[in-house]
Amino acid sequence: EAQVTQNPRYLITVTGKKLTVTCSQNMNHEYMSWYRQDPGLGLRQIYYSMNVEVTDKGDVPEGYKVSRKEKRNFPLILESPSPNQTSLYFCASSWRGGNEKLFFGSGTQLSVL
Amino acid sequence: LAKTTQPISMDSYEGQEVNITCSHNNIATNDYITWYQQFPSQGPRFIIQGYKTKVTNEVASLFIPADRKSSTLSLPRVSLSDTAVYYCLVGDMDSNYQLIWGAGTKLIIKP
Repeated sequence: EAQVTQNPRYLITVTGKKLTVTCSQNMNHEYMSWYRQDPGLGLRQIYYSMNVEVTDKGDVPEGYKVSRKEKRNFPLILESPSPNQTSLYFCASSWRGGNEKLFFGSGTQLSVL
Repeated sequence: LAKTTQPISMDSYEGQEVNITCSHNNIATNDYITWYQQFPSQGPRFIIQGYKTKVTNEVASLFIPADRKSSTLSLPRVSLSDTAVYYCLVGDMDSNYQLIWGAGTKLIIKP
């Protein structure tokens, strides 16, 4: 089944403790992206990747890192999480980016205390 | 940068047709206009996509006028399970691959 898999589904952590949210897709998509969703603010793009070893900042990249060492994986790294990064995070992928059909993961609800 | 405007919320009743319009300016001339549906605590799900005129699939229709400054998602004969948030998504004219999401329209279907 074609899917985007994110883990974990829920995560509670404390300020400053490094964490990684994993994202994997099995559709051989070139484009992958991370979003955060906050009440009243809609979907905001954090980072995106057009292909392996190619990543670019989205609208709200501060405090986040990503890597794209393999086509299928696109982890989101918070080196020193802060409470303002408490949010619902989504990973998405599509064939080649642009406005092609995006496939989303189920989301990761992160709480930073 | 492209900008999108959608109604914040809409109500309707089961069995009715619902039309949600998104206004968008400065969008990429060679890119699609796409609509997504999102249920609480789930990722957005693709509904329909078009470039111009009318597109129809098994769940919705999409109407795009010639000037492409708006698009209208049409949901025929809605049911309670269509209660969700609906987003339009466009590409920005000036920036490659920059996607601009609408703020979303919360659609509530009543029995």
